[in-house]
Amino acid sequence: TQLLEQSPQFLSIQEGENLTVYCNSSSVFSSLQWYRQEPGEGPVLLVTVVTGGEVKKLKRLTFQFGDARKDSSLHITAAQPGDTGLYLCAGGGGTSYGKLTFGQGTILTVHP
Amino acid sequence: DAGVIQSPRHEVTEMGQEVTLRCKPISGHNSLFWYRQTMMRGLELLIYFNNNVPIDDSGMPEDRFSAKMPNASFSTLKIQPSEPRDSAVYFCASSSIRAWDATGELFFGEGSRLTVL
Repeated sequence: TQLLEQSPQFLSIQEGENLTVYCNSSSVFSSLQWYRQEPGEGPVLLVTVVTGGEVKKLKRLTFQFGDARKDSSLHITAAQPGDTGLYLCAGGGGTSYGKLTFGQGTILTVHP
Repeated sequence: DAGVIQSPRHEVTEMGQEVTLRCKPISGHNSLFWYRQTMMRGLELLIYFNNNVPIDDSGMPEDRFSAKMPNASFSTLKIQPSEPRDSAVYFCASSSIRAWDATGELFFGEGSRLTVL
């Protein structure tokens, strides 16, 4: 069974601070996705990384896929209250064709 | 274009009653997924379909749970009989799988919040 562990589970910071969320596994994934979920809504895709060592930037968000494709990180620069939400990493591919394995999620709260 | 549509948004029922959750995926998507989300267990995959055929139902907790996809535009998740521990938010998601061992973006509905008393 492929498992993804996210850390930290909870993060409470002030506006303007930087933060990093980690997603780790002992399994290799062919792709790694990051989703953001707001209360009362379903998760929404932020980014997909597929190549080991790949780095993608989305405005103030930087996503990295580990060289061995077993881990990933999400770094937010100068966090804003609008970044508040549940961040989920999800691994795909390998023996689980078409099926994503989700991490437990990181609840981020950014205080004004 | 409409996203994934789920109904009902909220359901409160009593233990032992049958519950049916409904989902209309995005037109043209070939895969449909049912997830359950709780604080304790996070987002769990229950079952997924590809081209209307169930591919993996290993996440369905018990025989009380069943899912069908009679056509490309409709799916149901049924719980009979329901129990208090089934209380959760149930999400339906659809995707367009492009190739073997590839994962397309999942488009989630807004979820159905189920409370079993």
